[in-house]
Amino acid sequence: GENVEQHPSTLSVQEGDSAVIKCTYSDSASNYFPWYKQELGKRPQLIIDIRSNVGEKKDQRIAVTLNKTAKHFSLHITETQPEDSAVYFCAASKGGGADGLTFGKGTHLIIQP
Amino acid sequence: EAGVAQSPRYKIIEKRQSVAFWCNPISGHATLYWYQQILGQGPKLLIQFQNNGVVDDSQLPKDRFSAERLKGVDSTLKIQPAKLEDSAVYLCASSLAQGSFYEQYFGPGTRLTVT
Repeated sequence: GENVEQHPSTLSVQEGDSAVIKCTYSDSASNYFPWYKQELGKRPQLIIDIRSNVGEKKDQRIAVTLNKTAKHFSLHITETQPEDSAVYFCAASKGGGADGLTFGKGTHLIIQP
Repeated sequence: EAGVAQSPRYKIIEKRQSVAFWCNPISGHATLYWYQQILGQGPKLLIQFQNNGVVDDSQLPKDRFSAERLKGVDSTLKIQPAKLEDSAVYLCASSLAQGSFYEQYFGPGTRLTVT
């Protein structure tokens, strides 16, 4: 089955700096790659996603890039703010019928004031 | 619109006891998922329903876990008997339909502690 590796497990950046989280996946049939943000004790919430026919997608301070050849995708957050502090999960899915998500282990992003 | 509802929010049981969790998806959502999130890890898919049929239960420990979605709306997940390693947050998610064009919306989860 699919395996998603996520790095780093913890990332500490100064407020205003950029943060990058990287994921790799194993199944070349995967075609959907969402990113979720989970605050302590809360539910995961989708922040951005990308599909395999697109190389990059941006939404204000958040961007995601996808390299299907290398089977890796990354989350970029610019101009980080204290409210960006949370655990971020990448995930992959093959879409179609059985489209349950395979998640990475998460990155704890800490924004230092 | 109302989100995915789950109950109970917290449950503490002893090992070998049984427990059941309930999920009410967003109205009109045909696809429902149960995930298990162990502390410090990402959610792991247990089972996926499309209406009241099972699409994928390949990672469900069927010797102790069972799930149903009668009438294609609410769903229950049961563990019997529970083990210590079942301590986790059980998340229910729903989407309008199956396929990666549809966002999965998560409920608040049920935190299970097995002692």
